[in-house]
Amino acid sequence: QSVLTQPPSASGTPGQRVTISCSGSNSNIGSSTVNWYQQVPGTAPKVLIYSNNQRPSGVPDRFSGSKSGTSASLAITGLQSEDEADYYCAVWDDNLNGHYVFGTGTQVTVL
Amino acid sequence: QLQLQESGPGLVKPSETLSLTCSVSGDSISSNRYYWAWIRQAPGKGLEWIGSIYYNGNTYWSPSLKSRVSISVDTSTNQFSLKLTSVTAADTAVYYCAREAIWTGFHDVDHWGLGTLVTVSS
Repeated sequence: QSVLTQPPSASGTPGQRVTISCSGSNSNIGSSTVNWYQQVPGTAPKVLIYSNNQRPSGVPDRFSGSKSGTSASLAITGLQSEDEADYYCAVWDDNLNGHYVFGTGTQVTVL
Repeated sequence: QLQLQESGPGLVKPSETLSLTCSVSGDSISSNRYYWAWIRQAPGKGLEWIGSIYYNGNTYWSPSLKSRVSISVDTSTNQFSLKLTSVTAADTAVYYCAREAIWTGFHDVDHWGLGTLVTVSS
């Protein structure tokens, strides 16, 4: 059972804006930086956002991340069909000697 | 270009030990900028971090798996390995090895292998 809570699903039509929330606590989001991963079913996850709001090279600028207190969010603006995938937030948690935790995951559907 | 490749048996019997190795190319496992991690994903489920190791052997563990997991590193072969004991069907998953950056001041998984499916069944 993950300590990071995400909505199980989100959807939008092409061109719309979709946001995904990630709720944590002081020991994880509140004291570390948040990463976001995109996983197309049947493939390995890839880094979408790191350090709260940084995009690796090659990630389109329609993806953006933010963090406030013990919550974070991922926004997809100008939704495209290829954005249909599962999205996970992740962060280091200082509890219990420290460990990495993933969010529960959000499945994004492009209608 | 960094590449991570998992290898090991695809089928393990219940109560036995799951063993996997990750071969790293394109980067040195002895780098002081990274830990090296194992992550798994059960069929139809989310991602679960198992643990990670530094080149000097320092490790972090998932609290829920700590009693059954060991991770080791071999700097001479640029590989690291996972052992998970007393497996059950619940350990059936795709197992990924990954790189965990620490130069940011935090631990951030920034690169993944392709993953390997391990099925626990008699």
